[in-house]
Amino acid sequence: LAKTTQPISMDSYEGQEVNITCSHNNIATNDYITWYQQFPSQGPRFIIQGYKTKVTNEVASLFIPADRKSSTLSLPRVSLSDTAVYYCLVGDSNTGNQFYFGTGTSLTVIP
Amino acid sequence: EAGVTQSPTHLIKTRGQQATLRCSPISGHTSVYWYQQALGLGLQFLLWYDEGEERNRGNFPPRFSGRQFPNYSSELNVNALELEDSALYLCASRLRTDYEQYFGPGTRLTVT
Repeated sequence: LAKTTQPISMDSYEGQEVNITCSHNNIATNDYITWYQQFPSQGPRFIIQGYKTKVTNEVASLFIPADRKSSTLSLPRVSLSDTAVYYCLVGDSNTGNQFYFGTGTSLTVIP
Repeated sequence: EAGVTQSPTHLIKTRGQQATLRCSPISGHTSVYWYQQALGLGLQFLLWYDEGEERNRGNFPPRFSGRQFPNYSSELNVNALELEDSALYLCASRLRTDYEQYFGPGTRLTVT
């Protein structure tokens, strides 16, 4: 079961780009990297997923280096509504092995 | 498309009682996950069911149990409730061919 390590908290001003890095040193060959966002008293919501290099969607980008031992979630021009906890997971859909959410990174966006 | 639903929204129990929480996955999703989130903490994995079978279990005592029904809905049972069981219990479902877990709104369990 691949565990992840993230910073506990981060602060950013509105309009800035925020990068949150996750370490996953024992990632397996078949594992994908997935990021979730959680607002207080709500269930987490899927943001983005990737296997290697770079993935971009309408809300974020995910950068994965060649060794895949880490990944960086990039949120462009954050707003106050991006204040939330962000979780990084690694796992293999064939085994359903994506259980370990950890404590996540609490992002606070400051006006 | 209806999302994951959980019931009840809130549940208040006394220490030593039993609690039953229910989850209905998105139509077509065969995997159901249960997580516990105590106040201010991250999500702790409890149980994973797929096709009616328990596939994996987190580091919780045996008084946390559950089952998955033929229609893929699921039930989480917590026996001999303790004060520290007070938490938000989240259910998520997943399509077999997808990674994304879709979460329900959760059940807030309070043990007094």
